[in-house]
Amino acid sequence: DQQVKQNSPSLSVQEGRISILNCDYTNSMFDYFLWYKKYPAEGPTFLISISSIKDKNEDGRFTVFLNKSAKHLSLHIVPSQPGDSAVYFCAARSGGSNYKLTFGKGTLLTVNP
Amino acid sequence: DVKVTQSSRYLVKRTGEKVFLECVQDMDHENMFWYRQDPGLGLRLIYFSYDVKMKEKGDIPEGYSVSREKKERFSLILESASTNQTSMYLCASSLQGSRWKLFFGSGTQLSVL
Repeated sequence: DQQVKQNSPSLSVQEGRISILNCDYTNSMFDYFLWYKKYPAEGPTFLISISSIKDKNEDGRFTVFLNKSAKHLSLHIVPSQPGDSAVYFCAARSGGSNYKLTFGKGTLLTVNP
Repeated sequence: DVKVTQSSRYLVKRTGEKVFLECVQDMDHENMFWYRQDPGLGLRLIYFSYDVKMKEKGDIPEGYSVSREKKERFSLILESASTNQTSMYLCASSLQGSRWKLFFGSGTQLSVL
């Protein structure tokens, strides 16, 4: 039962354009969401997060949007840079859990120069 | 910067062997985690620990055990390695106050033959 779904295994974008990575979830108990970025041969690194009491959180070029009614969140990267090429994981915390995150399968973003 | 160090980058073991994966963090984090990453499955939590000598099962604990005798060190043990435990193993740590912001090590690619 996949509770966090990233339906696009890959995405290719031109440098300077917007990248939009999508994530859907099924568990209504999820109340906190995070995005992690992973380069090859490295561990994931935290990118940005959002609480369910908000619908948007911004950090520089990165913005996460949350649509609770649709159980959908998205990560926008503007403008995209070649260094953004990585695998992006969406993760969610259940309000009933103190420590457990549920991760999606990841989306490989390629930003072409 | 937080550093999470995993003892081996690559490891090859035989079926039935007892395998130890070691992880050390240098930022006095209370929480430590072991995940495995498999193609098409994302990151799945094996075990976590929120204090010395404390441990909790994650989503896929079968075939694994853990040890946390010191705050900075969290070991994952495969009691009798099997081929379906061939995977990328990722250790992570976090502060109690921001437990969802995980800091990951670079991973250990384990092959069980």
